Amino acid sequence: DAKTTQPNSMESNEEEPVHLPCNHSTISGTDYIHWYRQLPSQGPEYVIHGLTSNVNNRMASLAIAEDRKSSTLILHRATLRDAAVYYCIPGNTGFQKLVFGTGTRLLVSP
Amino acid sequence: DTGVSQDPRHKITKRGQNVTFRCDPISEHNRLYWYRQTLGQGPEFLTYFQNEAQLEKSRLLSDRFSAERPKGSFSTLEIQRTEQGDSAMYLCASSPPQWRVEGNTIYFGEGSWLTVV
Repeated sequence: DAKTTQPNSMESNEEEPVHLPCNHSTISGTDYIHWYRQLPSQGPEYVIHGLTSNVNNRMASLAIAEDRKSSTLILHRATLRDAAVYYCIPGNTGFQKLVFGTGTRLLVSP
Repeated sequence: DTGVSQDPRHKITKRGQNVTFRCDPISEHNRLYWYRQTLGQGPEFLTYFQNEAQLEKSRLLSDRFSAERPKGSFSTLEIQRTEQGDSAMYLCASSPPQWRVEGNTIYFGEGSWLTVV
């Protein structure tokens, strides 16, 4: 399993963009980069995933470095509801499990 | 609500007692997972089923733990002779067949909190 490095915590103000970085220098060529988040007292929820190209969905954007050794999750306008722990998880298409690290705790202030 | 359902949501038990958690995955999801999470840590993988077959078990799953998925639908996780160290949130998750558009997505339930006193 590829190892990941994420900041322990980050802070943002409401309605400002947030860039959450992740280093995954040991990622294999077939690994997708998955992002999940976990709101307080809830199970994790899927945010976005990608392989090489940048990806957008209604929740966030994912920017993947050209060498794929790092990626950035972008929340375009943070809301109070985005306060959560964000996990970056490499895994291939045939994955049988997600291996979670400790993630980044995002604090959002009004 | 058609998400992953877990029962009970909270359980307090005395040390040495047995507990069982039930998980109902999303309909037509053939893959089912169990995770354990303690405060301040990310979820830790316990075991994985594809249909009724248990294909992978973590070393965390000691012989006091047993998981089943008898008909490839719901699953149970039983902990025998509970210990205080078993106190945690137990998360169930499911995912559709890999060939589906959402085959790369795992959907989690809200977890079952276990407190062993």
